[in-house]
Amino acid sequence: QSVLTQPPSVSAAPGQRVTISCSGSSSNIGNNYVSWYQQFPGTAPKLLIFGDHRRPSGIPDRFSGSKSDTSATLAIIGLQTGDEADYFCGTWDGSLTAAVFGGGTRLSVL
Amino acid sequence: EVQLVESGGGIVRPGGSLRLSCAASGFTFGDYGMTWVRRVPGKGLEWVSAINWNGRSTGYADSVKGRFTITRDNAKNSVYLQMNSLSAEDTALYHCVRDSNYLGSPFDVWGQGTAVTVSS
Repeated sequence: QSVLTQPPSVSAAPGQRVTISCSGSSSNIGNNYVSWYQQFPGTAPKLLIFGDHRRPSGIPDRFSGSKSDTSATLAIIGLQTGDEADYFCGTWDGSLTAAVFGGGTRLSVL
Repeated sequence: EVQLVESGGGIVRPGGSLRLSCAASGFTFGDYGMTWVRRVPGKGLEWVSAINWNGRSTGYADSVKGRFTITRDNAKNSVYLQMNSLSAEDTALYHCVRDSNYLGSPFDVWGQGTAVTVSS
């Protein structure tokens, strides 16, 4: 069981908007910055969002992050078939003194 | 090009040992903390161990504490993970990752991973 809770899968049509939730607690999301990662099959994860809502250079502004209390959300607008991938949230957990991740969400663009 | 390349994975019997290596290139290795993260097939990511820039501070997941040891050699631009007393629960793809200097220290560079299979 992952410390952070994500839906196993989400789906939406090309061009639409989709959100992926990540639920935690005060020991992790509630008091630490959240990051989001994208992983295509057979490749290494890629950093999409850091510091709750910031994007590294090169990440399109179609990807955005937000956080409220002990939950975080990744939003993707203008969905493309190339966005089909697994998405993970991650943060630090002060009680566990460890980085923690969500179980991952498989995005399907139908 | 910023790159991390892992090696040392393989098939090992329960109770056995492996030493993973990660070679870094394209950046000033000694400026960054490094971490090992694993992914069990069909499951999510699990943080395994981390080491700070000079090797004097380390951390371990409870699941590997006392069995795994992380070290680094800045002269060789490399980080290592010595894994002892391996069990089936350690079977995973092990990624070497860089702790970025971004806000919240997310993992901004990932290696492709090296596979570890523990089986009799």
